[in-house]
Parts: sequence; C-alpha cells; structure tokens
Amino acid sequence: GQNIDQPTEMTATEGAIVQINCTYQTSGFNGLFWYQQHAGEAPTFLSYNVLDGLEEKGRFSSFLSRSKGYSYLLLKELQMKDSASYLCAVRAGGFKTIFGAGTRLFVKA
Amino acid sequence: EAEVAQSPRYKITEKSQAVAFWCDPISGHATLYWYRQILGQGPELLVQFQDESVVDDSQLPKDRFSAERLKGVDSTLKIQPAELGDSAMYLCASSLGVGQDNYGYTFGSGTRLTVV
Repeated sequence: GQNIDQPTEMTATEGAIVQINCTYQTSGFNGLFWYQQHAGEAPTFLSYNVLDGLEEKGRFSSFLSRSKGYSYLLLKELQMKDSASYLCAVRAGGFKTIFGAGTRLFVKA
Repeated sequence: EAEVAQSPRYKITEKSQAVAFWCDPISGHATLYWYRQILGQGPELLVQFQDESVVDDSQLPKDRFSAERLKGVDSTLKIQPAELGDSAMYLCASSLGVGQDNYGYTFGSGTRLTVV
C-alpha cells in the first residue's frame, strides 16, 4: 500500500530552526512536495524535490533521499506566522499525488 | 496572481439532501483535481480530470458522488444524498498538466461542508 508518515505535532520557539521529517512508501516515485496550510485555509506550495539532495528557498529548505524514502523540511529563523500545518505529498506511480496527514507546527514566543 | 475559484465558501445541508460545489481553475490549466480533507487529516483525492476526461476516480464514492467538467474548464462536484460523514473541506486544485506540476498544485479556498 501507499503510506506517508509525519509527526503529528511539533513546537518550536520564535527565531529557532525546526526540521519536519517525512517518510514514505509508495508504488513508484515521481517527486515529493511540501505544502503549508494555515487553519481553515487551502494548502500553498512550498517546495518540490525529485532528485536527492537539498533545495533551498529563502528560510525554507527541503531535503530528499530516495533510497531511504525520506524527506525533511527545514524552517529557519522561525516566525509566529509559520504556525501552520505542513503537508508532505508524494507524486507516486501514474503521477497520482498522495498527501500525508500533516504536521501541526506551533511557534511560541 | 491567478487563482482557483471555488463556491460556495461554506455550506450547511441536511442529511439526505443534495449539494453541489463549483470550481473554476486557473486559465490554461488542463488538469483539475477534487480533494476531500477531513479535519486533522491530509487531502484525499476524489477525482482527477485531464481536460474534460476523468483520469482517476478510484476513490470517488460513485453511489452518491458525481463530478463533471463538461467543456474542460470549470467543474462541478455533487453529492446526493449527503451523509453525516461527508462533513469535510472540499478542495479544488489545478495544474498545467500531469507531470507538468513541478511547482505544485494551486488550490482554491475550498468549500467547508457541514451535514446536519
């Protein structure tokens, strides 16, 4: 079956760095996405990885290891507005995108 | 910035009634997706269109749900009859095409459905 695992909740302090992990087992792999979703709002695209390694985009970076079925999203210089759910999504075989349940991040002052 | 339009934003309906949601994707986006998101869970794909054709509806409860995209532009998702377990956020998303979405999907604001 298809499975994506993320921690349910994380808490971090404003100004700190937090790493949100994602492990996946899917039938086929055609890329991994991270989305941010504020409460009651739609997901917004953050990053895309298809090759192994680190992709950096401002305060956000995403890492992929295809052999380990593993990715992480790194958020630096945390701000209160970063409090949200972070969804890991895998584009599996047939280009079908499967979402994880999301990690709720709480940023405290 | 181009947006995916969805309506209504909120809908409250009684069990066994019919309900419909509308989505207008970004102009030029060939692929349209309907997702259902239950509170605390990730989005689950209900149906995927490529232009006017359904390419994946394996998770769509076809006894009560239907979806169409007649002219390959806007789309309607219908539930009849609605059940209590259908209470969720219904999200529409679009992308340029299958395998052309390396910048991810663009989601609409969603329709929050409550069945009472």
